[in-house]
Amino acid sequence: GAVVSQHPSWVICKSGTSVKIECRSLDFQATTMFWYRQFPKQSLMLMATSNEGSKATYEQGVEKDKFLINHASLTLSTLTVTSAHPEDSSFYICSSIPRLATSYEQYFGPGTRLTVT
Amino acid sequence: KNEVEQSPQNLTAQEGEFITINCSYSVGISALHWLQQHPGGGIVSLFMLSSGKKKHGRLIATINIQEKHSSLHITASHPRDSAVYICAVSSYNTDKLIFGTGTRLQVFP
Repeated sequence: GAVVSQHPSWVICKSGTSVKIECRSLDFQATTMFWYRQFPKQSLMLMATSNEGSKATYEQGVEKDKFLINHASLTLSTLTVTSAHPEDSSFYICSSIPRLATSYEQYFGPGTRLTVT
Repeated sequence: KNEVEQSPQNLTAQEGEFITINCSYSVGISALHWLQQHPGGGIVSLFMLSSGKKKHGRLIATINIQEKHSSLHITASHPRDSAVYICAVSSYNTDKLIFGTGTRLQVFP
């Protein structure tokens, strides 16, 4: 089946630094990737939609300058949390839609737990 | 009111019990997804439905488009089924998912 990986799986960083999270589709090409964040015991919240070769579309209330998304290839999207603060600590998950998908199937990454100290 | 509602929010069961988790939605959809999230956080897609019923092992998912309702059933539940089960819908003409708040299932031996 389709596999999506995320790297790193967890990261601890100091307040004010930037952190990059990678989302890769390992065995398929993905024209669209989604980035979500999840707070403890809450559901996923869509942050942005990332399309290969174009600018990401951010959901209302998500700061595009804070959460930089780059979808440089059909298998890789990155989320960079800039000038991280403790309130950015969260679980970040990506999902991918295969380029040749004939249905609405989405494949999720394992997630990245970010802790900002 | 959320566009996707799940019930119950929490569920405990003894090993071997038959489990049902319900999902109701209020928007027009292209597909409904059932997802499983284990304590470690990773999400696995269990089913994607647009009509009828699907079965995979001990898991069965059904959907009634007219009633805007779906159920996820687990037969012969096992402690390893303990997880959060999330219902999500793809609304018409979009790949974006709208998520329910999840059902936390604990199965005790």
